[in-house]
Amino acid sequence: AQSVTQLGSHVSVSEGALVLLRCNYSSSVPPYLFWYVQYPNQGLQLLLKYTTGATLVKGINGFEAEFKKSETSFHLTKPSAHMSDAAEYFCAVSRSGGSYIPTFGRGTSLIVHP
Amino acid sequence: EAQVTQNPRYLITVTGKKLTVTCSQNMNHEYMSWYRQDPGLGLRQIYYSMNVEVTDKGDVPEGYKVSRKEKRNFPLILESPSPNQTSLYFCASSLKQGANTGELFFGEGSRLTVL
Repeated sequence: AQSVTQLGSHVSVSEGALVLLRCNYSSSVPPYLFWYVQYPNQGLQLLLKYTTGATLVKGINGFEAEFKKSETSFHLTKPSAHMSDAAEYFCAVSRSGGSYIPTFGRGTSLIVHP
Repeated sequence: EAQVTQNPRYLITVTGKKLTVTCSQNMNHEYMSWYRQDPGLGLRQIYYSMNVEVTDKGDVPEGYKVSRKEKRNFPLILESPSPNQTSLYFCASSLKQGANTGELFFGEGSRLTVL
Protein backbone atom coordinates (compact mmCIF):
# COMPACT_ATOMS: atom_id res chain seq x y z
CA ALA A 1 0.00 0.00 0.00
CA GLN A 2 1.06 3.57 -0.52
CA SER A 3 0.33 6.61 1.59
CA VAL A 4 1.22 10.28 1.85
CA THR A 5 1.61 12.50 4.89
CA GLN A 6 1.73 16.26 4.58
CA LEU A 7 2.99 17.91 7.74
CA GLY A 8 0.98 20.97 8.63
CA SER A 9 -2.50 21.68 7.34
CA HIS A 10 -1.59 25.38 7.21
CA VAL A 11 1.73 27.09 6.56
CA SER A 12 2.06 30.84 6.89
CA VAL A 13 4.95 32.86 5.41
CA SER A 14 5.72 36.47 4.68
CA GLU A 15 6.05 37.66 1.12
CA GLY A 16 9.65 37.15 0.03
CA ALA A 17 10.34 34.41 2.57
CA LEU A 18 11.25 30.80 1.85
CA VAL A 19 8.37 28.42 1.25
CA LEU A 20 8.76 24.85 2.54
CA LEU A 21 5.88 22.38 2.35
CA ARG A 22 6.63 18.94 3.68
CA CYS A 23 5.59 15.62 2.18
CA ASN A 24 6.54 12.13 3.29
CA TYR A 25 5.40 8.99 1.54
CA SER A 26 5.39 5.28 1.97
CA SER A 27 5.60 2.97 -1.00
CA SER A 28 6.70 -0.60 -1.55
CA VAL A 29 8.22 0.19 -4.96
CA PRO A 30 10.04 3.19 -6.42
CA PRO A 31 7.33 5.79 -6.46
CA TYR A 32 6.10 8.43 -8.83
CA LEU A 33 5.63 11.64 -6.85
CA PHE A 34 3.59 14.71 -7.63
CA TRP A 35 2.73 18.11 -6.26
CA TYR A 36 -0.54 19.70 -7.31
CA VAL A 37 -1.72 23.23 -6.60
CA GLN A 38 -5.31 24.39 -6.18
CA TYR A 39 -5.97 28.11 -6.44
CA PRO A 40 -9.19 29.44 -4.93
CA ASN A 41 -12.30 28.29 -6.80
CA GLN A 42 -10.30 26.24 -9.26
CA GLY A 43 -9.43 22.62 -9.87
CA LEU A 44 -6.07 21.07 -9.14
CA GLN A 45 -3.23 21.51 -11.59
CA LEU A 46 0.12 19.78 -11.74
CA LEU A 47 2.98 21.79 -10.23
CA LEU A 48 5.75 19.26 -10.75
CA LYS A 49 6.43 15.54 -10.80
CA TYR A 50 9.19 13.01 -10.22
CA THR A 51 9.18 9.70 -12.06
CA THR A 52 12.80 8.69 -12.68
CA GLY A 53 16.16 10.37 -13.20
CA ALA A 54 17.24 13.62 -11.55
CA THR A 55 16.00 13.82 -7.99
CA LEU A 56 15.69 17.61 -7.98
CA VAL A 57 12.64 18.51 -9.98
CA LYS A 58 11.71 21.99 -11.11
CA GLY A 59 8.13 23.01 -11.68
CA ILE A 60 6.09 26.00 -12.63
CA ASN A 61 6.15 29.37 -10.86
CA GLY A 62 9.63 28.85 -9.37
CA PHE A 63 8.76 25.81 -7.25
CA GLU A 64 10.99 22.80 -6.95
CA ALA A 65 11.04 19.54 -5.00
CA GLU A 66 13.70 17.00 -4.18
CA PHE A 67 13.12 13.27 -4.00
CA LYS A 68 15.06 11.83 -1.05
CA LYS A 69 14.71 8.09 -1.00
CA SER A 70 16.54 7.64 2.31
CA GLU A 71 14.13 10.04 4.00
CA THR A 72 11.06 8.98 1.96
CA SER A 73 10.41 12.66 1.40
CA PHE A 74 9.43 14.95 -1.43
CA HIS A 75 9.34 18.42 0.10
CA LEU A 76 8.27 21.41 -1.99
CA THR A 77 10.25 24.63 -1.83
CA LYS A 78 10.34 28.10 -3.32
CA PRO A 79 13.06 30.60 -2.41
CA SER A 80 10.82 33.66 -2.27
CA ALA A 81 7.07 33.60 -1.68
CA HIS A 82 4.73 35.77 -3.69
CA MET A 83 1.20 36.76 -2.77
CA SER A 84 -0.05 34.82 -5.79
CA ASP A 85 1.34 31.58 -4.30
CA ALA A 86 -1.45 31.51 -1.72
CA ALA A 87 -3.26 28.26 -2.49
CA GLU A 88 -3.84 24.68 -1.37
CA TYR A 89 -1.03 22.27 -2.18
CA PHE A 90 -1.40 18.52 -2.46
CA CYS A 91 1.31 15.89 -2.55
CA ALA A 92 0.52 12.59 -4.26
CA VAL A 93 2.23 9.23 -4.81
CA SER A 94 1.51 6.53 -7.35
CA ARG A 95 2.92 3.33 -8.78
CA SER A 96 2.84 1.17 -5.69
CA GLY A 97 1.57 -2.38 -5.85
CA GLY A 98 1.28 -2.32 -9.60
CA SER A 99 -1.36 0.39 -9.45
CA TYR A 100 -0.92 3.75 -11.07
CA ILE A 101 -3.82 5.22 -9.15
CA PRO A 102 -2.46 8.13 -7.14
CA THR A 103 -2.91 8.55 -3.42
CA PHE A 104 -3.21 12.14 -2.18
CA GLY A 105 -2.16 13.78 1.04
CA ARG A 106 -4.68 15.89 2.95
CA GLY A 107 -3.29 19.11 1.58
CA THR A 108 -1.47 22.13 2.99
CA SER A 109 -2.90 25.60 2.78
CA LEU A 110 -0.20 28.17 2.08
CA ILE A 111 -0.93 31.63 3.47
CA VAL A 112 1.26 34.51 2.31
CA HIS A 113 1.34 37.71 4.37
CA PRO A 114 2.34 41.03 2.85
CA GLU B 1 -7.75 22.95 -25.79
CA ALA B 2 -7.24 19.87 -23.63
CA GLN B 3 -9.67 19.93 -20.76
CA VAL B 4 -11.94 18.14 -18.34
CA THR B 5 -15.39 19.69 -18.21
CA GLN B 6 -17.82 19.27 -15.33
CA ASN B 7 -21.41 20.38 -15.10
CA PRO B 8 -23.03 21.87 -13.17
CA ARG B 9 -20.41 23.96 -11.39
CA TYR B 10 -22.81 24.85 -8.60
CA LEU B 11 -25.96 23.09 -7.47
CA ILE B 12 -28.29 23.37 -4.51
CA THR B 13 -30.76 20.54 -4.16
CA VAL B 14 -32.94 18.82 -1.56
CA THR B 15 -32.63 15.47 0.15
CA GLY B 16 -33.74 12.59 -2.03
CA LYS B 17 -33.88 14.36 -5.37
CA LYS B 18 -31.78 12.40 -7.84
CA LEU B 19 -29.04 14.31 -9.60
CA THR B 20 -26.24 13.71 -12.06
CA VAL B 21 -22.96 15.56 -12.35
CA THR B 22 -21.48 15.16 -15.81
CA CYS B 23 -17.81 14.90 -16.66
CA SER B 24 -16.29 14.91 -20.11
CA GLN B 25 -12.66 14.90 -21.28
CA ASN B 26 -11.28 15.52 -24.76
CA MET B 27 -7.83 13.96 -24.33
CA ASN B 28 -8.70 10.34 -25.14
CA HIS B 29 -7.71 9.33 -21.61
CA GLU B 30 -8.41 5.78 -20.46
CA TYR B 31 -8.53 6.55 -16.75
CA MET B 32 -11.19 8.73 -15.15
CA SER B 33 -12.03 9.30 -11.53
CA TRP B 34 -14.28 11.20 -9.15
CA TYR B 35 -13.12 12.80 -5.91
CA ARG B 36 -14.80 14.74 -3.19
CA GLN B 37 -12.98 17.43 -1.27
CA ASP B 38 -13.97 18.30 2.28
CA PRO B 39 -12.23 20.61 4.78
CA GLY B 40 -9.58 18.78 6.77
CA LEU B 41 -10.05 15.57 4.80
CA GLY B 42 -8.35 16.46 1.53
CA LEU B 43 -9.30 14.56 -1.60
CA ARG B 44 -11.10 11.26 -1.26
CA GLN B 45 -11.72 9.03 -4.22
CA ILE B 46 -15.32 8.00 -4.87
CA TYR B 47 -15.14 5.84 -8.00
CA TYR B 48 -12.73 5.34 -10.84
CA SER B 49 -12.69 3.78 -14.27
CA MET B 50 -9.76 2.23 -16.08
CA ASN B 51 -11.57 2.11 -19.41
CA VAL B 52 -14.99 1.86 -21.06
CA GLU B 53 -17.37 -0.40 -19.11
CA VAL B 54 -14.77 -0.85 -16.34
CA THR B 55 -15.51 0.91 -13.05
CA ASP B 56 -14.41 0.31 -9.49
CA LYS B 57 -15.03 1.67 -6.02
CA GLY B 58 -12.72 4.15 -4.42
CA ASP B 59 -12.48 4.98 -0.75
CA VAL B 60 -15.95 6.52 -0.26
CA PRO B 61 -18.39 5.01 -2.80
CA GLU B 62 -21.51 4.81 -0.59
CA GLY B 63 -24.42 6.79 -1.98
CA TYR B 64 -22.90 7.24 -5.44
CA LYS B 65 -23.10 5.49 -8.80
CA VAL B 66 -21.10 5.91 -11.97
CA SER B 67 -21.12 4.61 -15.51
CA ARG B 68 -18.58 4.59 -18.34
CA LYS B 69 -20.39 3.89 -21.58
CA GLU B 70 -18.12 6.11 -23.66
CA LYS B 71 -14.45 6.82 -23.24
CA ARG B 72 -14.90 10.58 -22.91
CA ASN B 73 -17.75 10.65 -20.36
CA PHE B 74 -17.92 9.58 -16.73
CA PRO B 75 -21.07 10.86 -14.99
CA LEU B 76 -21.51 10.77 -11.22
CA ILE B 77 -25.01 9.88 -10.06
CA LEU B 78 -26.51 10.57 -6.66
CA GLU B 79 -29.69 8.50 -6.59
CA SER B 80 -30.96 9.90 -3.28
CA PRO B 81 -28.73 12.72 -2.09
CA SER B 82 -28.32 13.37 1.63
CA PRO B 83 -26.86 16.38 3.48
CA ASN B 84 -23.61 14.50 4.18
CA GLN B 85 -22.97 14.53 0.44
CA THR B 86 -22.65 18.30 0.49
CA SER B 87 -19.15 18.75 -0.85
CA LEU B 88 -16.90 19.94 -3.64
CA TYR B 89 -16.58 17.29 -6.34
CA PHE B 90 -13.79 16.91 -8.86
CA CYS B 91 -13.54 14.77 -11.94
CA ALA B 92 -10.07 13.85 -13.18
CA SER B 93 -8.59 11.91 -16.06
CA SER B 94 -5.26 10.43 -17.03
CA LEU B 95 -3.44 8.26 -19.48
CA LYS B 96 -3.18 4.77 -18.06
CA GLN B 97 0.27 4.02 -19.36
CA GLY B 98 3.43 5.87 -20.10
CA ALA B 99 5.58 8.46 -18.40
CA ASN B 100 2.59 10.53 -17.46
CA THR B 101 0.99 7.69 -15.57
CA GLY B 102 -0.46 9.01 -12.36
CA GLU B 103 -0.50 12.59 -13.60
CA LEU B 104 -4.11 13.69 -13.40
CA PHE B 105 -5.99 16.41 -15.25
CA PHE B 106 -8.76 17.91 -13.16
CA GLY B 107 -12.00 19.61 -13.92
CA GLU B 108 -12.83 22.89 -12.20
CA GLY B 109 -15.08 21.31 -9.64
CA SER B 110 -18.78 21.07 -8.85
CA ARG B 111 -19.97 22.50 -5.55
CA LEU B 112 -23.00 20.57 -4.37
CA THR B 113 -25.22 21.55 -1.46
CA VAL B 114 -27.92 19.14 -0.27
CA LEU B 115 -30.52 20.68 2.03
